[in-house]
This record gives sequence, C-alpha cells and structure tokens, in this order.
Amino acid sequence: EPEVTQTPSHQVTQMGQEVILRCVPISNHLYFYWYRQILGQKVEFLVSFYNNEISEKSEIFDDQFSVERPDGSNFTLKIRSTKLEDSAMYFCASNLGLGLGSQHFGDGTRLSIL
Amino acid sequence: KNEVEQSPQNLTAQEGEFITINCSYSVGISALHWLQQHPGGGIVSLFMLSSGKKKHGRLIATINIQEKHSSLHITASHPRDSAVYICAVVGDKIIFGKGTRLHILP
Repeated sequence: EPEVTQTPSHQVTQMGQEVILRCVPISNHLYFYWYRQILGQKVEFLVSFYNNEISEKSEIFDDQFSVERPDGSNFTLKIRSTKLEDSAMYFCASNLGLGLGSQHFGDGTRLSIL
Repeated sequence: KNEVEQSPQNLTAQEGEFITINCSYSVGISALHWLQQHPGGGIVSLFMLSSGKKKHGRLIATINIQEKHSSLHITASHPRDSAVYICAVVGDKIIFGKGTRLHILP
C-alpha cells in the first residue's frame, strides 16, 4: 500500500538556524498538509496546499514558515529562523480531496531545537 | 474552554473489555474524525463521520449532531489497540482534541 514518507525522522538544529522538513506524499494525491504536535500537547493544523499554492493556514503558520512542492514529488516545510518553541513532531499528510477524511499521514519528523 | 473535549484522558482496561471513548465539541462542524496515534507517534485515520454510525472490524464510531457528541467503541479489546485516540472536528477550521491514552493489559 502506498504511504507518505517523511525525512528525516529526527532533526536536531541550533536555535536561529533554518530547517527544511521533507515529505513525499502519495503520488496521485492532490492535497497536502502539515501538522505539528508539541510534546504532550494536541495535534495542531499548520497549512494545507493544493494546486501549488496554500489553500488554508492557521495562526501558527506565520512568516517564519513556508511550504513548497519543488519537483512534483516532494512537499517541504521550511522554518526560516528556528525558535526553541518550534520543537515538536511535524506530520505531513496527503489525500485526494480536501478535508481531514481519508488523509494518509507520514510517521512524522521530530524536530529538536537546541 | 476547549472547543473539543475528550474523555477519559487516560483509560486502562483488561484485554477483552468493551471500550468507549467520548468526544464533545462546541462548534459547528461538517465532519468529525477519529484518529489513532501509535506509541511511536504515527497517525492513522480511523473514521470520518458526518451523521449516524460507522463500523470497521472491532471499531464502531457514532455521532449525534444535535448533542454535538461522538463516541468511539472498541469491542473485544486487545493489547495492540493500545494507542492514543484523537477526535478532530472540521468546521471553519480543523480542531483536534487532546486525545485519550488507551492501555489494554494482556
């Protein structure tokens, strides 16, 4: 069964550095999403992406964040200047149609900011 | 007040027991979802509901739109069901509950 893959599984970065989290969604999916989960807290929606542009974003997704689908297979989340509070698990997901239903999730990237 | 409330927060039960996890919400929604988060962190979508009831194997999910309440039931629970179960609602925005940590003892 096709799956969403995320790399790396764990990223350790110094505060202030840029970080790029990578995701390969399922190949025929059209909608892509990023979520984050701070340790011990609930999952939070960051952004959804369709047709090469952001379709929706949350208040968390400020100017420090950006997303890109650079080559038709990868979907990346960039954090420009990381802060300690960016430490979290970041999940990528994809599906054929808009909405949470039938989304396929990756296993997540654990981002640790030192 | 949280817009999505789950209960209980933690649940430990013996293998074979019937499990019920509840989700109440206070916003207007178009759909409600139940997700399973494995101990390693991975997330799996279990159900999407907009009305009534759905069943998949030993899992049953129900929703009462008027009461703004949903339940996830697990019949004949097994240690491999141990995970965090998350309720999420889709309205103007996607809102996740804090999850219910389920531990099934062999």
